[in-house]
This record gives sequence, structure tokens and C-alpha cells, in this order.
Amino acid sequence: QQQVKQSPQSLIVQKGGISIINCAYENTAFDYFPWYQQFPGKGPALLIAIRPDVSEKKEGRFTISFNKSAKQFSLHIMDSQPGDSATYFCAASIIPPTGNQFYFGTGTSLTVIP
Amino acid sequence: EPEVTQTPSHQVTQMGQEVILRCVPISNHLYFYWYRQILGQKVEFLVSFYNNEISEKSEIFDDQFSVERPDGSNFTLKIRSTKLEDSAMYFCASSRDSMNTEAFFGQGTRLTVV
Repeated sequence: QQQVKQSPQSLIVQKGGISIINCAYENTAFDYFPWYQQFPGKGPALLIAIRPDVSEKKEGRFTISFNKSAKQFSLHIMDSQPGDSATYFCAASIIPPTGNQFYFGTGTSLTVIP
Repeated sequence: EPEVTQTPSHQVTQMGQEVILRCVPISNHLYFYWYRQILGQKVEFLVSFYNNEISEKSEIFDDQFSVERPDGSNFTLKIRSTKLEDSAMYFCASSRDSMNTEAFFGQGTRLTVV
């Protein structure tokens, strides 16, 4: 069962453009939605995260938009830069007292062309 | 900046052999995880560990897998009898507590089973 679906699989954007990556989830019990950025040969690194009590969160050039009723959330990268070229994973989790298990999307390979 | 460190970075082993992947989580973290990523695929949860016991495990984490925190700093993943399909990047992660949802990932160990 694929708990989190991510699209597109790959994305090419011109420098300065907006990159948009979409995710949809199934389990309404999820209450934490992070985005991870992964460079080749490195582990995933937390980029930005949102809880379902807000519809949008912005940190610098990165924005998460969250639609609870549609069970969808997306990452927007404004003014995309070549240094943003990486694989992006959305994820979702529930936060029980014993820690949380992340369900990851399949990843989006972003290439920003200079 | 504190980080999760994993050793070795690359491990090649023959099918049927036992391997131990090692991780040093961030020192004040209490929750520890192993994930794996088969080449080109999504990151998959294996197991979470809290208070010296497994708190959650996935279907992937069968009897061939075990985890241990042998001392106050290391967190290990043992695969008892490796199979070809165990070839993947294995990521260790840790988080401070159940309400601090930021999980920090290590750089990964690439396991190649031949």
C-alpha cells in the first residue's frame, strides 16, 4: 500500500523559475508532513515541515501548501537556483509517544538549468 | 553542528554472510531509526528504537534483521544472512524526542551483496 504518492518523478526548471512538487496521502491520522532534500551520496536532510493545523508554511524560498480536505500537500521553490538541484522527498508520519515512522514518497529529481 | 555518523560508507559482502552496519546517533537523541533505499527507489522504513527496545518495525524487518544499542553511543543494524535483494543504501536516523519531529539522517551505508 502506497501511503504517500509523489509527482512528478523528475522536473527540469530554468534558473529563477518556480519548482512545484506535489504529494498526496491516504491516512488521515498523519499529522506531520516534512520535505526532505537529498544530494547524491548524502542522506536526506529536512528542508521544511508542516502540521495539518495550518494551510501554508514559508521558509525563505521554500513554501509548503497543505490541503487537508484533499489530503494533498506541495512544495514550492521560488526563484529556483542550480544549487537546488537534488532529489526531494515528501513524507508523512504520525507522532505517537514512542517516536515516529516516516512514510516517504517516491522522490522527485529536480534539475535547475542555469 | 551535531550529526549522525555511519560506518562503513560502503560494504560489499557475499550472499549468506552476516553484516553489521554501525551508526552513532546525535548524543542527546532518544529515538533511533533505520531506513533503506534501494537504488532509484523511495526511502523505506525498517525499524524504530526507543528506550532500548524496538517500538515499530516494518514488514521488511524480518527475522534476518536485528538492532542493538550495545553501549551509550552506537546503534547497530545486523543482517544475519544477506540476500541479493538486501543490496541498498541503509540510513540511520535519530530524533530528540517524540515531540521534536525533526529526524536527522546519516550519510548512509551502501550495502552491496554479491
